[in-house]
Amino acid sequence: DQQVKQNSPSLSVQEGRISILNCDYTNSMFDYFLWYKKYPAEGPTFLISISSIKDKNEDGRFTVFLNKSAKHLSLHIVPSQPGDSAVYFCAARNSGGYNKLIFGAGTRLAVHP
Amino acid sequence: DSGVTQTPKHLITATGQRVTLRCSPRSGDLSVYWYQQSLDQGLQFLIQYYNGEERAKGNILERFSAQQFPDLHSELNLSSLELGDSALYFCASSVGTDGNTEAFFGQGTRLTVV
Repeated sequence: DQQVKQNSPSLSVQEGRISILNCDYTNSMFDYFLWYKKYPAEGPTFLISISSIKDKNEDGRFTVFLNKSAKHLSLHIVPSQPGDSAVYFCAARNSGGYNKLIFGAGTRLAVHP
Repeated sequence: DSGVTQTPKHLITATGQRVTLRCSPRSGDLSVYWYQQSLDQGLQFLIQYYNGEERAKGNILERFSAQQFPDLHSELNLSSLELGDSALYFCASSVGTDGNTEAFFGQGTRLTVV
């Protein structure tokens, strides 16, 4: 039972353009969502998060949008840079779930010069 | 550097054996989480400890166990190893169990069972 789904295993974007990574979830009890970035041979690194009481959170080139009615969130990277090439994981936390994070399968982003 | 230290980085062992993976959380973090990542899949939650006590359990096999010690470091014990246990094992830590806090991950231990 996959509660957090990232349906695109990979995404290729040209440098300078927008990258949009999508994530869907099924559990309406999730109250906090995070995006992590992972480079090969490294652990996941926290990127940006959003609480379920918000619909948008922005941090520099990264913006996360949350659509609760659709149980969908997306990460926008503008402008995309070659250094953004990595695997991006969407994660969700269940309210009362002791901060346990449920991860999606990840989307591999490749940004080409 | 996330501040979370995992040892060893790599481990190769034979089927049927037992191994111990170690994790030192960030200074001040009381919660430790263990995740398993197999074959470029997502991270599967195994277990969480908070200040020495087990707080949450995921799809952790009975052959696996963990503990958190008084100094807050944690160990994940994997026994009767099978080929399918080959994976990346990540440890993460966070300040507490509540609130909107992110977890910080170590670099992982790559376990290969041959």
